[in-house]
Amino acid sequence: AQKVTQAQTEISVVEKEDVTLDCVYETRDTTYYLFWYKQPPSGELVFLIRRNSFDEQNEISGRYSWNFQKSTSSFNFTITASQVVDSAVYFCALSGATGANNLFFGTGTRLTVIP
Amino acid sequence: GAGVSQTPSNKVTEKGKYVELRCDPISGHTALYWYRQSLGQGPEFLIYFQGTGAADDSGLPNDRFFAVRPEGSVSTLKIQRTERGDSAVYLCASSEYRDAGELFFGEGSRLTVL
Repeated sequence: AQKVTQAQTEISVVEKEDVTLDCVYETRDTTYYLFWYKQPPSGELVFLIRRNSFDEQNEISGRYSWNFQKSTSSFNFTITASQVVDSAVYFCALSGATGANNLFFGTGTRLTVIP
Repeated sequence: GAGVSQTPSNKVTEKGKYVELRCDPISGHTALYWYRQSLGQGPEFLIYFQGTGAADDSGLPNDRFFAVRPEGSVSTLKIQRTERGDSAVYLCASSEYRDAGELFFGEGSRLTVL
């Protein structure tokens, strides 16, 4: 069975602070994919990253970085120097070997960045 | 526009009625997905189309739900005999091909069943 846990329901930070969003997953698949999506107030989910289970290298994209650790089944997301525009609900998701067809989403973390 | 388009954006109906929700994917995208998002929850997978055929409909909750994509482009999600528990935001997404990795989501159709 696939499961994604985002224990942080809501987080508030002051602008320019760094913030880490946690994601823990469960799967029996040896090949799987992990995702992060952003959902701003408009409701449209925006893809941020996909990582396959064989690639544990951390990734950095501008102010965003991701830390994938298979040993702890975690795929955490850090925003550096947060901005008000980062305010949104962030979802971590997991899919099996077939890729993006059937994503299992966590319950999301609502991030509020206070100016 | 160039993104995934969903209509209607809001639909209010009475229990027992039939509803149709439409999704117009990004031009050229062969894969199309329907998800359902209840309040405070993450999206839940409903069905996936590759071309005209439903490649995976394992997420459809029961036989009141049905989806079609007759020409491999626009898709319609159909819900018969709606129930109050069907109230949710129905999200459509498309991708260039199967396993493309990035899904492009629409803004969703909010369904309220009274």
